[in-house]
Amino acid sequence: AQSVAQPEDQVNVAEGNPLTVKCTYSVSGNPYLFWYVQYPNRGLQFLLKYITGDNLVKGSYGFEAEFNKSQTSFHLKKPSALVSDSALYFCAVGFNTNAGKSTFGDGTTLTVKP
Amino acid sequence: DGGITQSPKYLFRKEGQNVTLSCEQNLNHDAMYWYRQDPGQGLRLIYYSQIVNDFQKGDIAEGYSVSREKKESFPLTVTSAQKNPTAFYLCATGPGYSYNEQFFGPGTRLTVL
Repeated sequence: AQSVAQPEDQVNVAEGNPLTVKCTYSVSGNPYLFWYVQYPNRGLQFLLKYITGDNLVKGSYGFEAEFNKSQTSFHLKKPSALVSDSALYFCAVGFNTNAGKSTFGDGTTLTVKP
Repeated sequence: DGGITQSPKYLFRKEGQNVTLSCEQNLNHDAMYWYRQDPGQGLRLIYYSQIVNDFQKGDIAEGYSVSREKKESFPLTVTSAQKNPTAFYLCATGPGYSYNEQFFGPGTRLTVL
């Protein structure tokens, strides 16, 4: 069975500092990995995904993520955090079927303080 | 949120009542999904549909029902059999392949009084 874990419920960083939001996964076969962001009382917005190829994936709003097959991780990163990055972040893994289903982690709340 | 609309934004229900949440899309996506979001529990899949007139149960389908009569629409009914229906409900769409991201609506917050 596929699963994804976000080990930190909360991440706090100062504005201008680099940020990392962690994600590990368990999946049979090649993983399809996604990051989404959710602002309060809104739906999720897609940030980036890894399908194959380069392990460093660049996405929206200056975010990037590094796929590490040996550590089964897909951590989200940003070199310089903004207060407006404060939100709830979800990692997801795609099922190896044609239904397009994904399993989501429990989410990590990122707070960027001025 | 793009071309996905969910209505109403807020919904209040008395115990014992069925309620229907609307989800409409103009993205021409084949697949549609319903998720339930509770604090600290992430998103849990209720039902999904890959094509018109076909749908499958997700991980927590008990107490819910859906229909897919049109490609654009995937309404979710929360029945009185759902023991704890107060939650934030999210509809999503996608092309239907596991390497595709999903597109989410703005959500409906259901509160049972």
